[in-house]
Amino acid sequence: ETGVTQSPTHLIKTRGQQVTLRCSSQSGHNTVSWYQQALGQGPQFIFQYYREEENGRGNFPPRFSGLQFPNYSSELNVNALELDDSALYLCASRGDLLRETQYFGPGTRLLVL
Amino acid sequence: GEDVEQSLFLSVREGDSSVINCTYTDSSSTYLYWYKQEPGAGLQLLTYIFSNMDMKQDQRLTVLLNKKDKHLSLRIADTQTGDSAIYFCAESLRSNDYKLSFGAGTTVTVRA
Repeated sequence: ETGVTQSPTHLIKTRGQQVTLRCSSQSGHNTVSWYQQALGQGPQFIFQYYREEENGRGNFPPRFSGLQFPNYSSELNVNALELDDSALYLCASRGDLLRETQYFGPGTRLLVL
Repeated sequence: GEDVEQSLFLSVREGDSSVINCTYTDSSSTYLYWYKQEPGAGLQLLTYIFSNMDMKQDQRLTVLLNKKDKHLSLRIADTQTGDSAIYFCAESLRSNDYKLSFGAGTTVTVRA
């Protein structure tokens, strides 16, 4: 157990819809990162939040956005869903020291039809 | 830049040692990680090594780092059926706020 939880576990949406995925980090972990893992590939970095501010972003369009809350929960929002957004979405949290290990949640599997 | 590569598949007999290899291209990597992913699950951190180390041992796991060749390996001793999974190598770059860059994963199948 990593102490990181995600909800829902599975989700089915249709093209053009919007989705919100949720993550609850370990208590005391002020940094949360989100990753997208397409089938058969390694996870790709989407963005990172520290104390409710985005402080790093990968090669993902603006329709991928996030929020982080003071209670160690966070959200990943995706607008205008496309078929290629079908993937496992993982969140990871870590403490304040930049070099600290990231701990991953179990992921949310999103299917876009 | 950052580019992590792994062989895609490995088949090993139960009780033998498994060796999973990884190459990375960014010499500024600070930490290198091995994660395990079982079917339908998230990522489990197995072990990590700081880039100024050559070797790290943790029970059945041995990590070797060859900085000159930018080569990382994970050896699993006495491989068991529960070791069947996908193994990801990842690098963490201080220059990139320690975000993780992953390889595509090595699928390890343990046969009886």
